[in-house]
Amino acid sequence: ELKVEQNPLFLSMQEGKNYTIYCNYSTTSDRLYWYRQDPGKSLESLFVLLSNGAVKQEGRLMASLDTKARLSTLHITAAVHDLSATYFCAGGYSGTYKYIFGTGTRLKVLA
Amino acid sequence: DAGVTQSPTHLIKTRGQQVTLRCSPISGHKSVSWYQQVLGQGPQFIFQYYEKEERGRGNFPDRFSARQFPNYSSELNVNALLLGDSALYLCASSLAGNQPQHFGDGTRLSIL
Repeated sequence: ELKVEQNPLFLSMQEGKNYTIYCNYSTTSDRLYWYRQDPGKSLESLFVLLSNGAVKQEGRLMASLDTKARLSTLHITAAVHDLSATYFCAGGYSGTYKYIFGTGTRLKVLA
Repeated sequence: DAGVTQSPTHLIKTRGQQVTLRCSPISGHKSVSWYQQVLGQGPQFIFQYYEKEERGRGNFPDRFSARQFPNYSSELNVNALLLGDSALYLCASSLAGNQPQHFGDGTRLSIL
């Protein structure tokens, strides 16, 4: 059964700093998603990663996928307060239509 | 274009009651998925429907059921409500089962 683990669970960082959120998954997954969730809100899709070596960038966020290591990363460059949110990765279960979410990383960017 | 719409936004029920949650997908999307998100946790997959057929089911008891209508809207039903069913229920739609999902704002269900 596919399991998705994120770390860290909580991240407090200063504005202007860089950091990386890690997403490990246990078995073959043919697609990996990153979402953002603000408190009391729904999920906003950030990135879809479909193949080994895929890299996507949007603003200060960059996501990558290494299918051999079963690892995806979300890198934050020069963090700003507006990036404060909870970030989830989710793996698509190969051969099915199930999506398994990680536990989330609660990011707080301090001014 | 309208996004995924869910109703109601909030709901309060008591233990043992039954509840029906509704979801309208983005126009043109044929796949609808349901998730349960307990406070402080990630969403947990409940069901996915595509073209009115169940394509995936998560590890939830039979008290949870769903269906998809010819217009691709969907209902999630939960019977014999328990306190532990209190959560945010999210609906997501996509063009097909393995395409990026777009989430609605959710229905917050509280069980007293």
